[in-house]
Amino acid sequence: DAGVTQSPTHLIKTRGQHVTLRCSPISGHKSVSWYQQVLGQGPQFIFQYYEKEERGRGNFPDRFSARQFPNYSSELNVNALLLGDSALYLCASSPVGGRRVGEQFFGPGTRLTVL
Amino acid sequence: DAKTTQPNSMESNEEEPVHLPCNHSTISGTDYIHWYRQLPSQGPEYVIHGLTSNVNNRMASLAIAEDRKSSTLILHRATLRDAAVYYCKPPRGGTSYGKLTFGQGTILTVHP
Repeated sequence: DAGVTQSPTHLIKTRGQHVTLRCSPISGHKSVSWYQQVLGQGPQFIFQYYEKEERGRGNFPDRFSARQFPNYSSELNVNALLLGDSALYLCASSPVGGRRVGEQFFGPGTRLTVL
Repeated sequence: DAKTTQPNSMESNEEEPVHLPCNHSTISGTDYIHWYRQLPSQGPEYVIHGLTSNVNNRMASLAIAEDRKSSTLILHRATLRDAAVYYCKPPRGGTSYGKLTFGQGTILTVHP
């Protein structure tokens, strides 16, 4: 089975621009979460989506938004980029119910550099 | 959001057991304890989780203190592939598995 995929792998933007990151969950997983990982720190929760609805939001400004599509893939959008947005953005999917409930599967991440 | 404390780093020799501790003294009664690890240049990988009783799987064992204020991840025979950052964290909102928050974790170094 294919794991969680994310695109692009790397991205370089300048301050003030916006960016869209994409995530495809594991087939059958309906919950998708987004995390930001700054170098040297653990991942920080940004959003969770389940059945196309936002089910949770971390402590991030309104410049960050996301959505989930009918096929359960997801996009993370960041507007008015700041230097501090440079980070690895991770997407994770998880099953709802079943034997592996409680387990999140992470993608390899998108490395965003803001210049 | 339960606060956790882990040692910054630990070292082990290959083939030896490793005990990674975590203190979560403010955990609520419904918070599961999750452990993840992150190998270099990869996303985090689920290791194990539990609520009250000890848990075992093919990767590791999780020993949970009776008062649930601490837990220990046990790797029975460390390999070089186990070198990673290990995170212990109850998720936000008890069983809200999709809302994990991570601290800085424990950097595990395994020596050949």
